[in-house]
Amino acid sequence: QKEVEQNSGPLSVPEGAIASLNCTYSDRGSQSFFWYRQYSGKSPELIMSIYSNGDKEDGRFTAQLNKASQYVSLLIRDSQPSDSATYLCAVNKDSSASKIIFGSGTRLSIRP
Amino acid sequence: GAVVSQHPSWVICKSGTSVKIECRSLDFQATTMFWYRQFPKQSLMLMATSNEGSKATYEQGVEKDKFLINHASLTLSTLTVTSAHPEDSSFYICSAHVRNTDTQYFGPGTRLTVL
Repeated sequence: QKEVEQNSGPLSVPEGAIASLNCTYSDRGSQSFFWYRQYSGKSPELIMSIYSNGDKEDGRFTAQLNKASQYVSLLIRDSQPSDSATYLCAVNKDSSASKIIFGSGTRLSIRP
Repeated sequence: GAVVSQHPSWVICKSGTSVKIECRSLDFQATTMFWYRQFPKQSLMLMATSNEGSKATYEQGVEKDKFLINHASLTLSTLTVTSAHPEDSSFYICSAHVRNTDTQYFGPGTRLTVL
């Protein structure tokens, strides 16, 4: 079992709709959770971080964390073509450590 | 967010030569930097963890004598690909850990092509 699992996609969503990206992790003791966006040929950029159960909203993005079920998700409202990218879920297992485990990413395509 | 730079952004070299890639944290001190490699249409693969003032920690399967890492200051880490071969052609990305947080910020990446 991979430490961080994501559906590779591609996930195709019509423009203006909500895109929902999911991620599960294996280490129940994980502390911090991140979503990165990576455009083709570019390096990842941090979108959101979340540390406690529940929802965290930032503009059109909402991260959701459920530690009991060991999943974290990212919702993108009012999807735009510019949101088309690969989204990487990442988990930090130990708050005192800096090593982050990345999932393999979900490719999102927003169709006009 | 914090800014991380990489130099060069791309490099083409002949097989057998060595290539050095620099990673700098521009507006913060990074006690830990990470080096990743990404082949086309594949996920990010962690190569090594670079700690300032100490030896790097390499992931399983990564040759430490081929990929030399130096982290001489709190703002600079270098990756040297020694005796590069075409199979080393890849996108190399560094990230820097912001002290007292658990957040990493990525550099823009270096595309290496070995002929």
